[in-house]
Amino acid sequence: SQQGEEDPQALSIQEGENATMNCSYKTSINNLQWYRQNSGRGLVHLILIRSNEREKHSGRLRVTLDTSKKSSSLLITASRAADTASYFCATDARTGNQFYFGTGTSLTVIP
Amino acid sequence: EAGVAQSPRYKIIEKRQSVAFWCNPISGHATLYWYQQILGQGPKLLIQFQNNGVVDDSQLPKDRFSAERLKGVDSTLKIQPAKLEDSAVYLCASSLILAGASNTGELFFGEGSRLTVL
Repeated sequence: SQQGEEDPQALSIQEGENATMNCSYKTSINNLQWYRQNSGRGLVHLILIRSNEREKHSGRLRVTLDTSKKSSSLLITASRAADTASYFCATDARTGNQFYFGTGTSLTVIP
Repeated sequence: EAGVAQSPRYKIIEKRQSVAFWCNPISGHATLYWYQQILGQGPKLLIQFQNNGVVDDSQLPKDRFSAERLKGVDSTLKIQPAKLEDSAVYLCASSLILAGASNTGELFFGEGSRLTVL
């Protein structure tokens, strides 16, 4: 399976703290994306990083990619209660644009 | 812009019954995906369409699952007969990006159809 794995499975932090979650994957990729899923809802795209990029920022989000280690990390700075959700990384195969999702990190931000 | 529409939102059936889910992607999106998300897990790709053709159905349990996108727009996913382990949320997503294209883009997801098999 090409599915990645997120670490940790669950994370609980206080509002204002930073949250870091990691993703490891198995095969070569074109790009890696991060998605958020609120309870009972669909997934929402957060950020995309291409295989030739090492770091990308978007608002309070910072994503890094290390293709030699086949891993990525998502940092959410100054977390808010509204950031409470599950976060998934998704990788696409070299061809076909199939997207494979990881197992997810459940983030709880305590007000 | 209207998002990806899915129905029904919830469905409860007995095992061995059949069920169908419908998806209407964002207008103009050529690529459509069906994912299965079991509680506590990440979405698992079942099938990918580009227009009305299948790009990848390698993880679709074809003995009981079928999907079609006859006119290259709406899609239906059917399960017959359902098993207890089919209880999950079935997510539909669409994308502007074509299979095999050198560029890539994001997926837009619907709210999902939650299936409970008793």
